Amino acid sequence: RKEVEQDPGPFNVPEGATVAFNCTYSNSASQSFFWYRQDCRKEPKLLMSVYSSGNEDGRFTAQLNRASQYISLLIRDSKLSDSATYLCVVSPWGGATNKLIFGTGTLLAVQP
Amino acid sequence: DAGVIQSPRHEVTEMGQEVTLRCKPISGHDYLFWYRQTMMRGLELLIYFNNNVPIDDSGMPEDRFSAKMPNASFSTLKIQPSEPRDSAVYFCASGDRINTEAFFGQGTRLTVV
Repeated sequence: RKEVEQDPGPFNVPEGATVAFNCTYSNSASQSFFWYRQDCRKEPKLLMSVYSSGNEDGRFTAQLNRASQYISLLIRDSKLSDSATYLCVVSPWGGATNKLIFGTGTLLAVQP
Repeated sequence: DAGVIQSPRHEVTEMGQEVTLRCKPISGHDYLFWYRQTMMRGLELLIYFNNNVPIDDSGMPEDRFSAKMPNASFSTLKIQPSEPRDSAVYFCASGDRINTEAFFGQGTRLTVV
């Protein structure tokens, strides 16, 4: 079983739609959680950290359920520019400056 | 700061040849990571350093792979001899204890024929 599992997609949605991605992780001792975004043929970049209480950054909302070992990302009012691969990332220790375990990513294609 | 700098951006080599990938982390970052990305396996951590010392190399696939960090501003990942299954994009990333983000270089796209 992979340490971090995601639905690879693709998710094809129209502009303005709301879309949700889910991710599960296997190590219950994991401490830190993130969503990274990767554009085609580019490097991954941090989208947002995920906190236990849930957190929001503009149109993006991230949730963490430690009991179920489940992380989610909700994108509201999706834009063409949101088209990318979204990577769920887990770290066994606090902070991003330690071992980051990446899911294989979920591909989002926002259609005009 | 120019960010994490990797070279070369693209490398095509023949099977059996030695390949050396290079990375310059962001100045002041004391963590450096080497990742490999393929369609089948996604992003895999190969090795990471803290203050130039290798901390975890459990992701290095086999003895053909080696990594060094002789100083705080330079690291290499070497594959000798290279094989077609090593074809992938290799990313270097750096970070520090203050920020929560690991900053990635643009990657080296390696093709072994």
